[in-house]
Amino acid sequence: DVKVTQSSRYLVKRTGEKVFLECVQDMDHENMFWYRQDPGLGLRLIYFSYDVKMKEKGDIPEGYSVSREKKERFSLILESASTNQTSMYLCASSSLRQGGEVYEQYFGPGTRLTVT
Amino acid sequence: AQSVTQLGSHVSVSEGALVLLRCNYSSSVPPYLFWYVQYPNQGLQLLLKYTTGATLVKGINGFEAEFKKSETSFHLTKPSAHMSDAAEYFCAVTNTGNQFYFGTGTSLTVIP
Repeated sequence: DVKVTQSSRYLVKRTGEKVFLECVQDMDHENMFWYRQDPGLGLRLIYFSYDVKMKEKGDIPEGYSVSREKKERFSLILESASTNQTSMYLCASSSLRQGGEVYEQYFGPGTRLTVT
Repeated sequence: AQSVTQLGSHVSVSEGALVLLRCNYSSSVPPYLFWYVQYPNQGLQLLLKYTTGATLVKGINGFEAEFKKSETSFHLTKPSAHMSDAAEYFCAVTNTGNQFYFGTGTSLTVIP
């Protein structure tokens, strides 16, 4: 069974702390993604990566950075957490597009982060 | 630029009734379209996808969707709602496979 795992289901941090969210996939996927999910706003892309050490900004990268040192692992970093970063964070992975085929994303269970 | 609009943030249907969740997309090139479902406290899982070929796509749990280019729509339907269908549903579009654009979601309630 294919799997995307996230390091924590729930996390509580204080304002100003550095926060690491880890994501691991076991499907040898090239693409990995970080989203945040907020009520009424759906999923918004923070960053994605299509290869080791490669990253692309999504729609809302401000206040976040990412790291991909190994193909299976994609980390989201909040350098200095703020209360407006309280949200659900979802990691996803997918295969690279081949010819005319685009592949679906597989999602982790999410990390609910609260910043106080 | 691409975008997705899901009409109706909340939809309620009676058990056994037709489910219709609406999705309209904006894309300057032929799109690839997806429907995902999210159960409480879980990540998203794929219901169905349209890439090329047949415009009527069948997915898991009895759901299907029809790609209508002229209407820029990809509405999700199920003939008979079941209690277990209560969840949040997301429509998504991409034309690269790198960036996916999601709608704001529709929460489906099934009334016994």
